Amino acid sequence: NAGVMQNPRHLVRRRGQEARLRCSPMKGHSHVYWYRQLPEEGLKFMVYLQKENIIDESGMPKERFSAEFPKEGPSILRIQQVVRGDSAAYFCASSPRTRSSGNTIYFGEGSWLTVV
Amino acid sequence: DAKTTQPNSMESNEEEPVHLPCNHSTISGTDYIHWYRQLPSQGPEYVIHGLTSNVNNRMASLAIAEDRKSSTLILHRATLRDAAVYYCILRDYGGSQGNLIFGKGTKLSVKP
Repeated sequence: NAGVMQNPRHLVRRRGQEARLRCSPMKGHSHVYWYRQLPEEGLKFMVYLQKENIIDESGMPKERFSAEFPKEGPSILRIQQVVRGDSAAYFCASSPRTRSSGNTIYFGEGSWLTVV
Repeated sequence: DAKTTQPNSMESNEEEPVHLPCNHSTISGTDYIHWYRQLPSQGPEYVIHGLTSNVNNRMASLAIAEDRKSSTLILHRATLRDAAVYYCILRDYGGSQGNLIFGKGTKLSVKP
C-alpha cells in the first residue's frame, strides 16, 4: 500500500508565478490535510478537505492560496502570484475518516517550494 | 484546543532507553494522545497513539498516567536514526475537528 504521494518534491518559482502542489492520499483514504512549515519553524495547519468539500480552511491565507480535492484525481494546493515568503515545505497528509479511535493521519514526504 | 507541554530538547546515548515526557493537564475525555516524529527534511511520521491504557508497537511504547494529565513516549534502545523532533499531540475524536495541531516538540539528539 503506497503511502501519501506528493509531487513535485522540489519546485522553484519566480516571484509572481503560480505554484501547484499535488497530493495523492493513501489508498482508501478520503480525507486530506495540508500543512506548511516555514524554515526553522513548526508545522502549521492550512486546510482539511474531503472529496469535493473543504471542511476546515481556517489556516489558509485569505489571498492567493486555494485547495481542492476533486472526486477524481489528487488534491491540489495552488498558490498564485508567489512571493518569497511562500518559500517553505508543504506537507500533505491523509486519513481514512475522522471520529474513529483507530484513525491515524499519515504524512507525505513534502514539497519544497523555493521562490526566487 | 487542549495543549501539550514538552521539553525543548533532550539528549540520549545510543542504545540506551529514552523517555520523552509530555504534559497535557487540560486533556478531555475524548482526546487521544498521539506521537509523531519528524526527521530532518522529511515529513512527520506516526509513532504511536493511545487513550487510557499503555500501548506498545514496534517503534515505541506509550505510558499514560492514570489521571491522563501526562504521558511518556519510550524508545527502548535509541539509535542514531531516532534523532528527530518528537511531537505529542491531542486529537479529539468526539468532535468534528480532524486535523492535528503541532507544537514545538522535543528535539532529541542521540550521541554515539
